[in-house]
Amino acid sequence: DTEVTQTPKHLVMGMTNKKSLKCEQHMGHRAMYWYKQKAKKPPELMFVYSYEKLSINESVPSRFSPECPNSSLLNLHLHALQPEDSALYLCASSQDGGIQETQYFGPGTRLLVL
Amino acid sequence: SQQGEEDPQALSIQEGENATMNCSYKTSINNLQWYRQNSGRGLVHLILIRSNEREKHSGRLRVTLDTSKKSSSLLITASRAADTASYFCATDAKGYGQNFVFGPGTRLSVLP
Repeated sequence: DTEVTQTPKHLVMGMTNKKSLKCEQHMGHRAMYWYKQKAKKPPELMFVYSYEKLSINESVPSRFSPECPNSSLLNLHLHALQPEDSALYLCASSQDGGIQETQYFGPGTRLLVL
Repeated sequence: SQQGEEDPQALSIQEGENATMNCSYKTSINNLQWYRQNSGRGLVHLILIRSNEREKHSGRLRVTLDTSKKSSSLLITASRAADTASYFCATDAKGYGQNFVFGPGTRLSVLP
């Protein structure tokens, strides 16, 4: 199984809502990633978890809160988002976050903040 | 600052033609990877080339890497309509493997 799954596929939320994005992989990977991608732009790294520990936080606002409950699951909790946070949120995983690793991406969650 | 920069930003070709996309980057790397993204979906890994390699092939794909010029190219031969997608190069700053930086991407349209 080389699939990374993400739910939901689409999400519309108001600025006062709290929601969560979920990501799951069953490839035995120990590194998982969240990326944000605006239209016609490349993905931008937000967070990296390695062995369930947050190893990289690319100065992401605190209204985004990542969580890695176990090695297969990665969540992104959203609270008090702004309209400019509307984007495609991509999850990825790799073997263990070392060099020369391929990252496997999920299909993304398309988020619209009203 | 962004590691990878793609050129051209958009490319339209006819089916059967070859498509060449270029990527430049700024700092030393361990490897450079190319990914494809179909319209607003997840990215699919195409090929990885290590910093000590100069050329690599995979099916209709040919990737070159020139570390002295800090540049790479992706050639897709005998293109098909199904190759229509955005193509991104991704680099990891040397010694910092987890931190992928993607270039701005090339939007390729292959016309039937």
